[in-house]
Amino acid sequence: DAGVIQSPRHEVTEMGQEVTLRCKPISGHNSLFWYRQTMMRGLELLIYFNNNVPIDDSGMPEDRFSAKMPNASFSTLKIQPSEPRDSAVYFCASSSDPQSSYNEQFFGPGTRLTVL
Amino acid sequence: SQQGEEDPQALSIQEGENATMNCSYKTSINNLQWYRQNSGRGLVHLILIRSNEREKHSGRLRVTLDTSKKSSSLLITASRAADTASYFCAPRISNFGNEKLTFGTGTRLTIIP
Repeated sequence: DAGVIQSPRHEVTEMGQEVTLRCKPISGHNSLFWYRQTMMRGLELLIYFNNNVPIDDSGMPEDRFSAKMPNASFSTLKIQPSEPRDSAVYFCASSSDPQSSYNEQFFGPGTRLTVL
Repeated sequence: SQQGEEDPQALSIQEGENATMNCSYKTSINNLQWYRQNSGRGLVHLILIRSNEREKHSGRLRVTLDTSKKSSSLLITASRAADTASYFCAPRISNFGNEKLTFGTGTRLTIIP
């Protein structure tokens, strides 16, 4: 298994531009998580999906952020318009069997976003 | 908040020594997980301890859990240079079906060769 796949690995854009981050979870996993990591705020959960349905989006900072999961093998996180304070590393993670109390999360390599 | 808070924030030790990191949390948990993050990479799951367990071992790792004190510790024995990384605890709250893990700010461990 290739693990969680994220693209792009690096993204540099200018303020005001739309940014789309992509994630492919591990095949067979039912849950998908988007996190943001910065030095100041640490690792923050933005949103998570279970069986393609958003369950908790309380961590989404504002309306400029949106996330979708159209099928079990793909999710996007979109920022429109982007701002310099959105610069961070964005991680996607997936896990299996939500009814189990033992489910670990598997993280992707992250997308380093820089907004100029 | 169910956020785990790690202590210390940073730790430097000589290779071969043991490293101990602590975690405190605020609410009842189902389990508590520890993750490692190498610089520039995603987090990697290390070990999970259930709320009814007190101690668990995995290789050179030993995790303890004291639910009465709402605290956990991670011990790495015979440290190696490759153990240099940030370590995070993530308590999972007791709500069945809620998969949210809330990570702390981590302990930055440096192993000096």
